[in-house]
Amino acid sequence: DAKTTQPPSMDCAEGRAANLPCNHSTISGNEYVYWYRQIHSQGPQYIIHGLKNNETNEMASLIITEDRKSSTLILPHATLRDTAVYYCIVNNAGNMLTFGGGTRLMVKP
Amino acid sequence: DAGITQSPRHKVTETGTPVTLRCHQTENHRYMYWYRQDPGHGLRLIHYSYGVKDTDKGEVSDGYSVSRSKTEDFLLTLESATSSQTSVYFCAISEPDRGGIYGYTFGSGTRLTVV
Repeated sequence: DAKTTQPPSMDCAEGRAANLPCNHSTISGNEYVYWYRQIHSQGPQYIIHGLKNNETNEMASLIITEDRKSSTLILPHATLRDTAVYYCIVNNAGNMLTFGGGTRLMVKP
Repeated sequence: DAGITQSPRHKVTETGTPVTLRCHQTENHRYMYWYRQDPGHGLRLIHYSYGVKDTDKGEVSDGYSVSRSKTEDFLLTLESATSSQTSVYFCAISEPDRGGIYGYTFGSGTRLTVV
């Protein structure tokens, strides 16, 4: 059920925006894009989700392309505490999420 | 995480012994899940529950059973633990909002070592 492709790792300078890409070229019309993150040894944490429109909350922004085949999670001012594995998940059966490998984001001072 | 607790946090057990992990929630969420996480495999769904006494298998259910006799508790049992079941186990809960969106909340995990 690997519906998304993410780079395995990325670096970001502290204070700069972190832009995490996700490819989901086979997404269907009623599937949502979810983002979660997992800070070392902790349980994953919900960040944001979207269907078509761009979304923003206190943690991040989600930009979904018009054709919905890819999206970008933006952390506007990354801090060292944002170092984590970020998971992009596409699902229309929201009661069962499948986690892929994610992107390991390293925020550096 | 607030509203969901896992016990025990750490456990070492011997091969062949039964082991039960507990997930307890105070959020009254309908859905509960058990995942395991291993290096190189990410998070994999073991079993999930969509209500009291209603459970179903996930991706890696062999060797595991679950029970949910109360809304707040979801138990994961390893009938006869094997070394391949050494892992970190996460419980999660979810409930759809008005838009049908499920935001998962995860517990802090149980680190199980089978020797």
